[in-house]
Amino acid sequence: EDQVTQSPEALRLQEGESSSLNCSYTVSGLRGLFWYRQDPGKGPEFLFTLYSAGEEKEKERLKATLTKKESFLHITAPKPEDSATYLCAVHPLLGGYNKLIFGAGTRLAVHP
Amino acid sequence: EPEVTQTPSHQVTQMGQEVILRCVPISNHLYFYWYRQILGQKVEFLVSFYNNEISEKSEIFDDQFSVERPDGSNFTLKIRSTKLEDSAMYFCASSGTSGNNEQFFGPGTRLTVL
Repeated sequence: EDQVTQSPEALRLQEGESSSLNCSYTVSGLRGLFWYRQDPGKGPEFLFTLYSAGEEKEKERLKATLTKKESFLHITAPKPEDSATYLCAVHPLLGGYNKLIFGAGTRLAVHP
Repeated sequence: EPEVTQTPSHQVTQMGQEVILRCVPISNHLYFYWYRQILGQKVEFLVSFYNNEISEKSEIFDDQFSVERPDGSNFTLKIRSTKLEDSAMYFCASSGTSGNNEQFFGPGTRLTVL
């Protein structure tokens, strides 16, 4: 069964304290892996797509990386406005041409 | 910047009533989706729609649910007879010329069934 597990469930950082969020996945085949940001009561906001192991994408203080079993979202020198839930989702190659399978998310709180 | 819009933002209904949730996807997108998120739980796939027909649906998407693209811009989700357990945030999403492309989500409709 296709599955996505994110860790930690919650993370509290001081402003400027870099860290990484983990997304491990088990799928029959990977068409793509997506990172989204979700603010309370809002829809997921697209951040990155990764397609193959070794790929990296960057946007401001965020960098996403992908291996064959997991993805990391690295946050460098975070600011309070980076506080949100970060969602990882996979697009399986088989048995689900269109659907995304989401993890439960990591709730990030960045304190000044 | 183009975005997915959804109406209403909040819908309160009585158990057994029909509700229609509305979405306007990004204008040049071809693939449309509905997801739901029960409070405190994961975002779950409901259905995908392409070329005026359902391309995939989950086990959640039973006979009580239906989708429609009544015109060139709107995409709707109908729940025929709502149950208490249908209370959730419902998100519409759209993606571009291939199902591989990233999916862009709307702000959601919070459905409360009393």
